[in-house]
Amino acid sequence: KAGVTQTPRYLIKTRGQQVTLSCSPISGHRSVSWYQQTPGQGLQFLFEYFSETQRNKGNFPGRFSGRQFSNSRSEMNVSTLELGDSALYLCASSLYGAGNTIYFGEGSWLTVV
Amino acid sequence: DQQVKQNSPSLSVQEGRISILNCDYTNSMFDYFLWYKKYPAEGPTFLISISSIKDKNEDGRFTVFLNKSAKHLSLHIVPSQPGDSAVYFCAASNFGNEKLTFGTGTRLTIIP
Repeated sequence: KAGVTQTPRYLIKTRGQQVTLSCSPISGHRSVSWYQQTPGQGLQFLFEYFSETQRNKGNFPGRFSGRQFSNSRSEMNVSTLELGDSALYLCASSLYGAGNTIYFGEGSWLTVV
Repeated sequence: DQQVKQNSPSLSVQEGRISILNCDYTNSMFDYFLWYKKYPAEGPTFLISISSIKDKNEDGRFTVFLNKSAKHLSLHIVPSQPGDSAVYFCAASNFGNEKLTFGTGTRLTIIP
């Protein structure tokens, strides 16, 4: 069955702009979580959505937000982009929740210039 | 506060030998542990997991060992193959907690 799909794969934005990233989970998975990976850092948890509700949130500023739709697809938005937001953004889906085994998409590479 | 630590940023191993990747954790509430493998420009791929009720779990060439008293887990790959060259992340959660906490990764290079 199809894996987790993220779009776009690569994008370049200018400081101050906003960006929206999209994620389609594995069919049947209701949990979608988002992670940020930067050079030298592990994967930093952003937030998790389950059945359209945000269940958990990491230590990121309010510029980072997300939502989940009734078909479990999820979007994350970053407003007022900063240079430090340049990173690989990973979406993962899970059958039981973000504290269990999660399955990642290929990620969206964001470069802020 | 880094609750999951991978103290070796990199490791090189001869093809055919055993690769041992290590991970330490500080949160005694963690009871579910996982390993992921990541190639450049791809998302992490789930490899193997273990719950705290067990001390060993095997899946083909991959074995994970858990030492709860030492708060330490390790991933053994036997025999190592060139395709195993990647970054390996360990992760942990409290089964009731709704997120995985990841280490910073170890880059494994298999030398032909």
